[in-house]
Amino acid sequence: AQTVTQSQPEMSVQEAETVTLSCTYDTSENNYYLFWYKQPPSRQMILVIRQEAYKQQNATENRFSVNFQKAAKSFSLKISDSQLGDTAMYFCAFMKGSNYQLIWGAGTKLIIKP
Amino acid sequence: NAGVTQTPKFQVLKTGQSMTLQCAQDMNHNSMYWYRQDPGMGLRLIYYSASEGTTDKGEVPNGYNVSRLNKREFSLRLESAAPSQTSVYFCASSDSLSETQYFGPGTRLLVL
Repeated sequence: AQTVTQSQPEMSVQEAETVTLSCTYDTSENNYYLFWYKQPPSRQMILVIRQEAYKQQNATENRFSVNFQKAAKSFSLKISDSQLGDTAMYFCAFMKGSNYQLIWGAGTKLIIKP
Repeated sequence: NAGVTQTPKFQVLKTGQSMTLQCAQDMNHNSMYWYRQDPGMGLRLIYYSASEGTTDKGEVPNGYNVSRLNKREFSLRLESAAPSQTSVYFCASSDSLSETQYFGPGTRLLVL
């Protein structure tokens, strides 16, 4: 069975710093998708970034980028120039190709301090 | 564009009462999902509908039923609510091209 592990329950950094959130997963599949979702205090679940396993190039969305290490089964999220609005829970999630079911990590609470 | 909408936003039930949570999406997505989120945990899949006319159980289906009313709407029903069903419920939808799920704002349910 697939599992997703986020080893950092909580992190805090100063505004404008760079922060990296860790995620590891366990699967024997070759075709899958990985996601980072953000959940601010409003509880809305917001997609941050997605990565297809067959793509070697790391996904990037503005200040957000990933370091996808397929052999190590690692999928970390880097937030550059962090902003107060980045304060949220961040969830890493895995989906086997066309399986429909997202497997979620337990989340990392990120606090950006002014 | 409203995306995924859910009603109600908040509900209090007594043990044994029934209720239906409503979800609708306007993105023409084929697949829809119901999750629950308990404190300190990630989301757990209750039921999903890969396409109109089909539904399948997820990780935690016991105590719930679903209806895919049409392509836009997917409802979740609690027939006899229990305190263990106190949670935040999220609906999501996705298209088959991107495999990306988009979420509604959630429904907070408290069962006393």
